[in-house]
Amino acid sequence: ETGVTQSPTHLIKTRGQQVTLRCSSQSGHNTVSWYQQALGQGPQFIFQYYREEENGRGNFPPRFSGLQFPNYSSELNVNALELDDSALYLCASSTDGNYGYTFGSGTRLTVV
Amino acid sequence: GQQLNQSPQSMFIQEGEDVSMNCTSSSIFNTWLWYKQDPGEGPVLLIALYKAGELTSNGRLTAQFGITRKDSFLNISASIPSDVGIYFCAVTGTASKLTFGTGTRLQVTL
Repeated sequence: ETGVTQSPTHLIKTRGQQVTLRCSSQSGHNTVSWYQQALGQGPQFIFQYYREEENGRGNFPPRFSGLQFPNYSSELNVNALELDDSALYLCASSTDGNYGYTFGSGTRLTVV
Repeated sequence: GQQLNQSPQSMFIQEGEDVSMNCTSSSIFNTWLWYKQDPGEGPVLLIALYKAGELTSNGRLTAQFGITRKDSFLNISASIPSDVGIYFCAVTGTASKLTFGTGTRLQVTL
């Protein structure tokens, strides 16, 4: 069984631009969560999707949005990028939101 | 918001030594988790604790859920070079949200 895969692995964007990050959940997992990890810090919860509906959100502004597709893959969209958005973005999937989350290797976003 | 404080922040140890780290909170939690993150990778779950006072092992790793439900400890016995990485504690909240600690960076010297 494949794990969680994220794309792209690295990305450089200019302040003010928009970005879309992608995540393929582990086979059989119907819940996906996104986390932002700034350098030297622990991951911070952005939001979670369960069966294509957002069912939890952390302290992030509305310019952070997401989607979950029928095959349970997911996208994270960030509009109007700011320099502080530079971070590692992690996707994690699980079955029915239980605590056995499997994390992907992340997308390293740099905003210049 | 909730904050989990981990100590020490970083540590250098020699191969073969035992390691202890802890995680404390001002709030009570019913589930404590320990993750390890290698460079360029996402966190990997090491141990999950579901009951106050519980002591759980996973190979050379042993973790305890504090009796007050406000802390947890992770011990690594006989450290080896591949133990290098950042160790995070985490707790669960609403919507299965994970709140991570500040991390303990472990470096092992030969």
